[in-house]
Parts: sequence; C-alpha cells; structure tokens
Amino acid sequence: QKEVEQDPGPLSVPEGAIVSLNCTYSNSAFQYFMWYRQYSRKGPELLMYTYSSGNKEDGRFTAQVDKSSKYISLFIRDSQPSDSATYLCAMSANTGNQFYFGTGTSLTVIP
Amino acid sequence: GAVVSQHPSRVICKSGTSVKIECRSLDFQATTMFWYRQFPKQSLMLMATSNEGSKATYEQGVEKDKFLINHASLTLSTLTVTSAHPEDSSFYICSAWDRGRPGNTIYFGEGSWLTVV
Repeated sequence: QKEVEQDPGPLSVPEGAIVSLNCTYSNSAFQYFMWYRQYSRKGPELLMYTYSSGNKEDGRFTAQVDKSSKYISLFIRDSQPSDSATYLCAMSANTGNQFYFGTGTSLTVIP
Repeated sequence: GAVVSQHPSRVICKSGTSVKIECRSLDFQATTMFWYRQFPKQSLMLMATSNEGSKATYEQGVEKDKFLINHASLTLSTLTVTSAHPEDSSFYICSAWDRGRPGNTIYFGEGSWLTVV
C-alpha cells in the first residue's frame, strides 16, 4: 500500500463549481499536511499547509484534515479557469523528515 | 514571490556532455534540499535528498555517479547530470526545507527542462 493515495482524475468542472480534492494516507504518524498546485511545465507552488487535524481557510481555498479517518481534503469555491492545474497533496511525520506526495489530481475548470 | 530559485529553466546539451542545474533558497537557509525528476503527466519522482555539508542520500535506482549532487552552502544545491544521454531528458525540480517557517513545509523551484540531443 502506498503511503499516500490520491485520485489522479482528470477532474473537469464548470466555472463557479465547488471542487473537492482528496487524499488518503496510511501512516498515523503524519502530522503535517500540505497542498501544492502545479501548472503545466512549472514547479509546484505551495497553496496551504495544516498541522494535525482541523480546517484552514485561505480565500477560496479550504483545507481539511481528518486524522481519525486518515483523510485530507482541499476545497476550492467559485472555481476559475485559472485554477486548472494539477494539485498535489503532501505530508510528513516530523519536522524536516521525509515528505510523501500523492500522485496529483489534474483539474480543468471549463469557462 | 518565489522563495526557491532554480536555474537554468531550460537547457539543451549534446550527448556525452555534462550539465549543471542550480537550486537556491532566496530568503532562508535550507539545511535540506530535495531533487526530483518528473516525466510528462506523471508524478514527482524523488531522486535524492541533499543535506548541507554532507553527502546526498540517493533513492533506489538513481545512479549517484551520474547525478552528482552538491550542497556546499545553506542556500545552494547543485545537480550535475554527467555524460548526459537522450534518456536523461526530463523536467528536474528542486525543493528546499525551511525550518524557520511555520509548519513543516518545503518550497519548490520553478523546474529545469533538460533536453539531450
């Protein structure tokens, strides 16, 4: 079993839709959770990070962590064509430790 | 703005030559940097973990003599692809760990496209 599982998609939604991106993991020691956005032919860009369980909101983006279910989510409200990218989840157990990435979900927002 | 800079963004080299890619942390000291390779529409593949002042730790299957990594300072790590072959053509990305920032996060460079002809 992989450390981190992420549905690769592709996911296609109309502009304005709410997008839900998800990852599951197997290692209960993971405490740090991150979401990255990667545009085609570019390096990943950090969107949000959370520590332990709970929600975090930043503009149209909300990150949720459910450690009891080993499940993390990224919600995008009022999705825009500029949100079209690949979204990667990442996590780690301790500071400076190894980072484990999902395979990424490809999202297309249709105008 | 970008906190990790990678250079060059694109490079074309001839088979048999070597090419160096630089990764710099711009406003923090990165004791640990990571190098990845990414094929089109595929996920990141970790190649090696680079710790300042010590030898890099390579992932299984990555040739350390072919992909030379040097992390001589807290703000600079380099990847040198030696005796490059067309199959080395790929997108190479670095990332750096900033222990001084909230959360346990790593920041990526913009990536470098290598084409070996």
